[in-house]
Amino acid sequence: EAGVTQFPSHSVIEKGQTVTLRCDPISGHDNLYWYRRVMGKEIKFLLHFVKESKQDESGMPNNRFLAERTGGTYSTLKVQPAELEDSGVYFCASSRKTVSGNTIYFGEGSWLTVV
Amino acid sequence: KQEVTQIPAALSVPEGENLVLNCSFTDSAIYNLQWFRQDPGKGLTSLLLIQSSQREQTSGRLNASLDKSSGRSTLYIAASQPGDSATYLCAVRHPSGTYKYIFGTGTRLKVLA
Repeated sequence: EAGVTQFPSHSVIEKGQTVTLRCDPISGHDNLYWYRRVMGKEIKFLLHFVKESKQDESGMPNNRFLAERTGGTYSTLKVQPAELEDSGVYFCASSRKTVSGNTIYFGEGSWLTVV
Repeated sequence: KQEVTQIPAALSVPEGENLVLNCSFTDSAIYNLQWFRQDPGKGLTSLLLIQSSQREQTSGRLNASLDKSSGRSTLYIAASQPGDSATYLCAVRHPSGTYKYIFGTGTRLKVLA
């Protein structure tokens, strides 16, 4: 079974440009999450999808970030326009539908550097 | 507001030692707690998940305990090996219905051969 896959693995863009990160969850996982870790800080929650619906987007930092999950399969996270403070690692994770104590599976992250 | 703290931030031990990693959280109202491992440049791998009603979970040489009332969890690694070198993170989930996890900053472990 394939794990959570993320693309690109690394991206270097200039301030003001747009970047789109993609996540393919484990097949059959209805829950999909985005987290990020900026330099020196802890991993922080961005948002949670159940299928194609945003269940919780309380962690999205501002309206420069847009997440979508069309058809309830893969998800994209777009940053437009990117700022220097957006640099960090963006992790995607997925889990099954069962409520009781889902183990969540993380991808290897998309490393974003804004210069 | 839930805050998760992990002490120590870094730890270096000789191979074969038993060791304990600590995690504390400020709000005892949690749904569950997970311990993760992260290798450099890689994603997170879930090691153990403890439900709020449980006291401990074991997997191989790993044992995680949970004392919800005091806001503490420990990860015990028996007979450490160089392959255990990684960053260990704990994360707690609030019971309110959100699936959001709050992470600690991690403990960076190095096991010396």
